[in-house]
Amino acid sequence: DTAVSQTPKYLVTQMGNDKSIKCEQNLGHDTMYWYKQDSKKFLKIMFSYNNKELIINETVPNRFSPKSPDKAHLNLHINSLELGDSAVYFCASSQGAGGLNEQFFGPGTRLTVL
Amino acid sequence: GDSVTQMEGPVTLSEEAFLTINCTYTATGYPSLFWYVQYPGEGLQLLLKATKADDKGSNKGFEATYRKETTSFHLEKGSVQVSDSAVYFCARGVQTGANNLFFGTGTRLTVIP
Repeated sequence: DTAVSQTPKYLVTQMGNDKSIKCEQNLGHDTMYWYKQDSKKFLKIMFSYNNKELIINETVPNRFSPKSPDKAHLNLHINSLELGDSAVYFCASSQGAGGLNEQFFGPGTRLTVL
Repeated sequence: GDSVTQMEGPVTLSEEAFLTINCTYTATGYPSLFWYVQYPGEGLQLLLKATKADDKGSNKGFEATYRKETTSFHLEKGSVQVSDSAVYFCARGVQTGANNLFFGTGTRLTVIP
């Protein structure tokens, strides 16, 4: 199926650990994103990549680092996890500008930091 | 600054009731406007969009009209179904810098039989 996929779906870990979340899209899109959704469902952009170039980096701690090995993948690495990092993380992609064109979202990764 | 203000939820309606979820925005210029829907346990998906003033987006019985004079993009449906229960997000395109979306806070809709 053509889609945006993320792994893992659930991630439970201890404070201080380092973890990664993987994202892949097979839609041929040129831009990919990471969003964080908190417990109140508020959705905030973290990063986006366009043709392997970072074009957004909001006020996100540098413990978070996106890595894009190719146009179809945008992985999220998180170092020294903190309790406040607990949230659902969504990957998304679009063809062209995300402010004009439809973004396609993955199913989300629920991260719980204990 | 630029923002999206969305009607607070949760909203609970009986099946076949009329739905309105209010959304207003502030922005420089005329951004594209979107409604996304998030069904339980899933990611967001585009419901409808409008790219210029007076455009009407529609899908699955939902409609929203881009009103420049009131800077609004209210979501409406004439007769909701149980399957419409979800969280609805209003969003506007960010036109400066990197093109992206700015989301409202979401409105949870529950439709009861």
